[in-house]
Amino acid sequence: NAGVTQTPKFQVLKTGQSMTLQCAQDMNHEYMSWYRQDPGMGLRLIHYSVGAGITDQGEVPNGYNVSRSTTEDFPLRLLSAAPSQTSVYFCASSYSIPAGGKTDTQYFGPGTRLTVL
Amino acid sequence: AQKVTQAQTEISVVEKEDVTLDCVYETRDTTYYLFWYKQPPSGELVFLIRRNSFDEQNEISGRYSWNFQKSTSSFNFTITASQVVDSAVYFCALSDLSNTGNQFYFGTGTSLTVIP
Repeated sequence: NAGVTQTPKFQVLKTGQSMTLQCAQDMNHEYMSWYRQDPGMGLRLIHYSVGAGITDQGEVPNGYNVSRSTTEDFPLRLLSAAPSQTSVYFCASSYSIPAGGKTDTQYFGPGTRLTVL
Repeated sequence: AQKVTQAQTEISVVEKEDVTLDCVYETRDTTYYLFWYKQPPSGELVFLIRRNSFDEQNEISGRYSWNFQKSTSSFNFTITASQVVDSAVYFCALSDLSNTGNQFYFGTGTSLTVIP
């Protein structure tokens, strides 16, 4: 298993440009999520998906769109990049969602370092 | 509201010293999970441990040990006989039933430097 993969590893955008960060997992995980990591702020949830066709917003969703057409893929789209979106982006996945008191360990991809000029 | 506090921003120790990383959490739920992740200089996030709120037994894995105390809402992480390879940022995280999406609430991380 490749686990969780993310592309690209690095990206530089100009303000106003759009792009898609790719995330894929080959573990048949139901749950996938996107976080951003900023200095001194830990990781914050952007969007998540509990299964194909289902997505929802996290803590900091503004400026980002997601879709989940397959179990394996969960792309993150920046519609009009802004300097405030300069960050390291992590995709994560896990087997299950909270149900009956259960939760599951999330496994993270290697990250995408995005700079918006 | 859920919150994870890692008060130690940066710690430096000399190789072979023991070091404890503190994690204090807040949640209203009685059922929750706590995690530790390691982020080495290469940047990836490596899962270290998961502990549920009903299991207060401390755990040891090699040089790593975890002390979970519900009475003080703490889940501290100790590295014994530290090594240079332990240099990394360590994150504590909380997941509870107050959310529908398996959201993790992360602390701001503790940067550990082990000096040879």
